[in-house]
Amino acid sequence: SQQGEEDPQALSIQEGENATMNCSYKTSINNLQWYRQNSGRGLVHLILIRSNEREKHSGRLRVTLDTSKKSSSLLITASRAADTASYFCATAFHTGANSKLTFGKGITLSVRP
Amino acid sequence: DVKVTQSSRYLVKRTGEKVFLECVQDMDHENMFWYRQDPGLGLRLIYFSYDVKMKEKGDIPEGYSVSREKKERFSLILESASTNQTSMYLCASKRDRGQPQHFGDGTRLSIL
Repeated sequence: SQQGEEDPQALSIQEGENATMNCSYKTSINNLQWYRQNSGRGLVHLILIRSNEREKHSGRLRVTLDTSKKSSSLLITASRAADTASYFCATAFHTGANSKLTFGKGITLSVRP
Repeated sequence: DVKVTQSSRYLVKRTGEKVFLECVQDMDHENMFWYRQDPGLGLRLIYFSYDVKMKEKGDIPEGYSVSREKKERFSLILESASTNQTSMYLCASKRDRGQPQHFGDGTRLSIL
């Protein structure tokens, strides 16, 4: 399976600290995506990084991708209480005209005020 | 912004009932997806559709069917609901294969 596996499963930090979440996968990918899910809501797309990219930024978010190690990390800098959510990595593999997205089980991030 | 709307946030049905979950997107996306989300199991793909009247099985299609008669609407059908189908159901859409998916807020379905 090429399912992404996130690490750690749960993370608790103080407001203002940085949060680093990791994702590993097993097979070749075309891109890797990170999503956030607030309790009881749907997933919200954060960042997509393509297999030929190594790093991408969006506001306080920084994503890295190391295809040789089959791993990615999501860094949230200067965390806020509002960042409390579950975070999922998802790996995309293109097959013909379609693309299969496989999600990991998620990381629960708690940011203490 | 893309809007994906699921018809119900919460739904309670009885075993054996035929259940319809509706999903509508407003961005003319080709691709639509149905997932279920369970604690400890993450998101699992049930069915997806890449065009009107087209459907493909995902990883766990048993006990489900889908309908896509119009581009904007993708329906998930539980033919005869069972208690093990109690779950959070999430609908998503996207334009093409290199793009991220946009999710609805989910339907929390309880089968009694």
